[in-house]
Formats: sequence, C-alpha cells, structure tokens
Amino acid sequence: ELKVEQNPLFLSMQEGKNYTIYCNYSTTSDRLYWYRQDPGKSLESLFVLLSNGAVKQEGRLMASLDTKARLSTLHITAAVHDLSATYFCAVDRRSNNNDMRFGAGTRLTVKP
Amino acid sequence: DVKVTQSSRYLVKRTGEKVFLECVQDMDHENMFWYRQDPGLGLRLIYFSYDVKMKEKGDIPEGYSVSREKKERFSLILESASTNQTSMYLCASSLAWAGELFFGEGSRLTVL
Repeated sequence: ELKVEQNPLFLSMQEGKNYTIYCNYSTTSDRLYWYRQDPGKSLESLFVLLSNGAVKQEGRLMASLDTKARLSTLHITAAVHDLSATYFCAVDRRSNNNDMRFGAGTRLTVKP
Repeated sequence: DVKVTQSSRYLVKRTGEKVFLECVQDMDHENMFWYRQDPGLGLRLIYFSYDVKMKEKGDIPEGYSVSREKKERFSLILESASTNQTSMYLCASSLAWAGELFFGEGSRLTVL
C-alpha cells in the first residue's frame, strides 16, 4: 500500500528565513505533485515533478524529486507572510496501481 | 482556466438526512473525483469516475454513493448522514487519467 508521510505537519517561521518541507513515500511513483491550500480555499497546483532529479522553482518555492530515495522536498527561501498556507504533496501511481495519495499537509505560518 | 464548482460551500444537516453534494466542471474533463479532507489525515479518496455513468470506489466509500449522469457533473450522496461524516468535501477533475487534478473550493458539511 502506498504511504505518504509529510513533515513537519506544522511549521512556524520568521520572515526572511529558509526552511524545507519533506515528503517521503513508500513505493515507486509516476509523478509527484505539490499543492497549496489557503484557509477556506481550494487546493491549487504548484508543481508537477515527473522524473528523478526533477527540480522546479516558482518565486521563493523550489521543489525537487529523488525517486531513488522516494523523497520530495519543498524548499522555501526568504519566507514572506504571503506564503502562509497549507502545503500538500501527492504521490501519483495511477498508471500502475490506480492509486494517488496525499500527505497530511504542512501548515506553514510565516510571522513578521 | 479550469473551473470546478461545488454547489454548496457550507451545509448543516441532521443525522439521518439525505445529503447531495454537487460538482460541475467546465473543461470537458473525463475524470472526476470526490475527496474528503480531515485535519491531520490529508485528502482521502471516496469515489472517482472516469466516464459518464462509470464509478469506482476509492479508499473510504462506505456511507457514500455517487452519480455521474452527465460528463460535467459528479454528485456525492450521503444516504443517511452521520456525525462522523462531518468534514470538508472536495471535488476534483482531470483531463487524463493520470493528469493533474483541479479542485473545487470545497463543501464544508456539519452533521448534527
């Protein structure tokens, strides 16, 4: 069974600091997604990572994928308040096993 | 932009009532999904549909049913609501089976 572990679940950080959110998963995957959810809002797709070594960046967020370690990271550089949200990773194995699973989410709060 | 619209943002129902949650997407996507979101548990798949009148159980289908009579519309039905079905329900669609998911804004259901 595919298991997805995301950590930390809660993260409070100061503006200007860097931090990394980790997403570990238990079996091989087709692709990995990162989503952002603002309070009371829907999930918005941030990144799709397709292959080993993939790295994508958008503004202060950078996501990477290591399929051998079954690990994806979401790195936050010089955090700003607008990045406060909940971030989910999702591991997609639908072509193999009809399976796509989400992590529990990381609630990020960036304080001034 | 893909738009996934959920008919009710907030609902309050009594135990035993029948509940309908409606979802409509406007991008001609083949695949539609219903997820349940609970704190600390991430998103869990209830049902999905890859074509009109087709449906498949997800991880937690008990107590739920679905209907897909038209391509753009996917309904989630709680035949007899119970308090443990109090949750946020998210509808999503994707063009390809293994494609990126686009989410609606969610329906927060409270069962008293």
